[in-house]
Amino acid sequence: QVQLQESGPGLVKPSETLSLTCTVSGGYIGSFYWNWIRQPAGKGLEWIGRIYENGNTKYNPSLEGRVTMSVETSKNQIFLNLKSVTAADTAVYYCARGSVLVGLDYWGQGTRVSVSS
Amino acid sequence: DIQMTQSPSTLSASVGDRVIITCRASQSISTWLAWYQQKPGKAPKLLIHKASSLEGGIPSRFSGSGSGTEFTLTISSLQPDDFATYYCQRYNSDSWTFGQGTKVEI
Repeated sequence: QVQLQESGPGLVKPSETLSLTCTVSGGYIGSFYWNWIRQPAGKGLEWIGRIYENGNTKYNPSLEGRVTMSVETSKNQIFLNLKSVTAADTAVYYCARGSVLVGLDYWGQGTRVSVSS
Repeated sequence: DIQMTQSPSTLSASVGDRVIITCRASQSISTWLAWYQQKPGKAPKLLIHKASSLEGGIPSRFSGSGSGTEFTLTISSLQPDDFATYYCQRYNSDSWTFGQGTKVEI
């Protein structure tokens, strides 16, 4: 059974960089797209972007320029960096496995990140 | 980028009701549409992919239809476990955008 686990600081200061890790167990990360999604409290889901095993990425245009994703296949880990954060970046951040055939079929439990001084 | 619009935003219903949620894409997305269910404090769960293909283990009271720009999620007989928020998402290429969600409440 594929499992995803997000990890990272729960508190980030404004203007700094938010860095999260998604660790995948129970399956190899190859041949899938790995996505980051976030959800501010009481609001809807926002797709942040995706990365393929070869490092190809596609980001939400609204976050382009602030977001980078990377992958470490040997460790089955996917990374998210979001720079110059503000309070508007406070949210629960999810990683999810995706395929072009079915969408997002496995999700992590999410990690809450607050941006505050 | 293609925008996804769901309606209604909130839906009040009773157990046993037939519920229909609509999702519209600003451009044609063929049938590259997924539906998710999210309960409070939990990650979303994939219900339907390719507009109408039910995921394994999902009750048959859930069904999806549509193609191009108009899609629907139907719950044929609402059960207590179905009170949740539902999201559509376009995928397969470009930005995998979500609709804004539809909360199904009692």
